[in-house]
This record gives sequence, structure tokens and C-alpha cells, in this order.
Amino acid sequence: GENVEQHPSTLSVQEGDSAVIKCTYSDSASNYFPWYKQELGKGPQLIIDIRSNVGEKKDQRIAVTLNKTAKHFSLHITETQPEDSAVYFCAAISNTNAGKSTFGDGTTLTVKP
Amino acid sequence: IAGITQAPTSQILAAGRRMTLRCTQDMRHNAMYWYRQDLGLGLRLIHYSNTAGTTGKGEVPDGYSVSRANTDDFPLTLASAVPSQTSVYFCASSAQAGEGETQYFGPGTRLLVL
Repeated sequence: GENVEQHPSTLSVQEGDSAVIKCTYSDSASNYFPWYKQELGKGPQLIIDIRSNVGEKKDQRIAVTLNKTAKHFSLHITETQPEDSAVYFCAAISNTNAGKSTFGDGTTLTVKP
Repeated sequence: IAGITQAPTSQILAAGRRMTLRCTQDMRHNAMYWYRQDLGLGLRLIHYSNTAGTTGKGEVPDGYSVSRANTDDFPLTLASAVPSQTSVYFCASSAQAGEGETQYFGPGTRLLVL
């Protein structure tokens, strides 16, 4: 089945700096890659996603890139703010797995004011 | 619109006891999911339901059962709780099953089995 690895497990940046989180996946049939943000005591919320026919997608300060050949995708947050502090999860979905999501282990991002 | 609600918010349970975690969504989503989240690990799928009346096993189904009698409700039952089932449990739903469907998560149930 699908295996998703996420790095780093923890990331600390200064306010205003950029943050990058990387994920690799194993199933070449995976074709949908969402990113979730989980704040303390809450459930994960989708923040951005990308499909396999697109190499990059941007939404204000957040962007995601996908390299299908290398089977990795990354989350980029620019001009970080303290409210960006949270746990971020990547996921990969393949229709060969009945569309079920496989999640990475999460990255705890801390933005220092 | 409430989205997805879960109950209870938290629970301390003696080992061997039976427990049902409740999940209700008001978005008329066809697909629903149960995940567990353990410290340092991502979300692992326990069971899922693509539509009312059907259920399927996820990555870690042992010790858990689910039912989907209607569209809105998807309860998760621990027949005889064990300490290894101490975790945070999240229910989620999506409009349809399959790739590209955004999953919406509930606030979670924190379960401690002693």
C-alpha cells in the first residue's frame, strides 16, 4: 500500500521567514495530495491541495509543489506569522486504494514572534 | 450548520468496558471515516463508509466496529477497551468517496483507557 514520509517532524522559524515541509510517497498511482493544518485541540483542516496534473499551486502565502517523477511534494509558507504555528499533515490519495487517504506523521511548526 | 460533531469530547474508560464514540454530520455527505491519532504519528484510518449501509476496514480496524444506518451518523464502538486504544479519535466526512474529495474533520474525542 501507500507509504507517506514527512520531514521535518519539527520546524521552528522566525516570524517573517519562510517554512518548507516535504513529503514523499511510494504509490505512483497516487494523484491527489492535500495538506491539512491542525491547531491545538482541534481537528485537521484542509489548507491547500494539488492534483497530479499540476506542478504548483498557490493561495496567498501558501504554495504546494509536486514532482511526480521523484514522488515528492512540498508545502511552502512565506512571510510566516505566529498564527501559522500548528501541526501540518500531508496526505496522498490513490484510486487504487479506493480513494482513501494515507497521511504523513505531521510537522509541528513554531513561528517565533 | 454545525458540520461534524463528536461526542463525548473526552472520556476515561476502564479496560474491558464497552464504549461507543458518536459522530454526526449535517452536510449530507456520503462518505465518512474514523481515524485515530497517536503522539508523533499521523492519522491512521480505522474504518470507513462510502455510503449509508456500507462499511469497510481501514489500516487499523482490530478492536473496533462501526455501523452506518443512515447518512448522518457513524458511531465507532470499542467492544472491550484496552490501554493501547488510548488515543485521540477523529471522525471525518466527504461529499463522495474517492480522490479529490475534501475531508472535513470533527473536533475529536480524547480517550484514555486505564
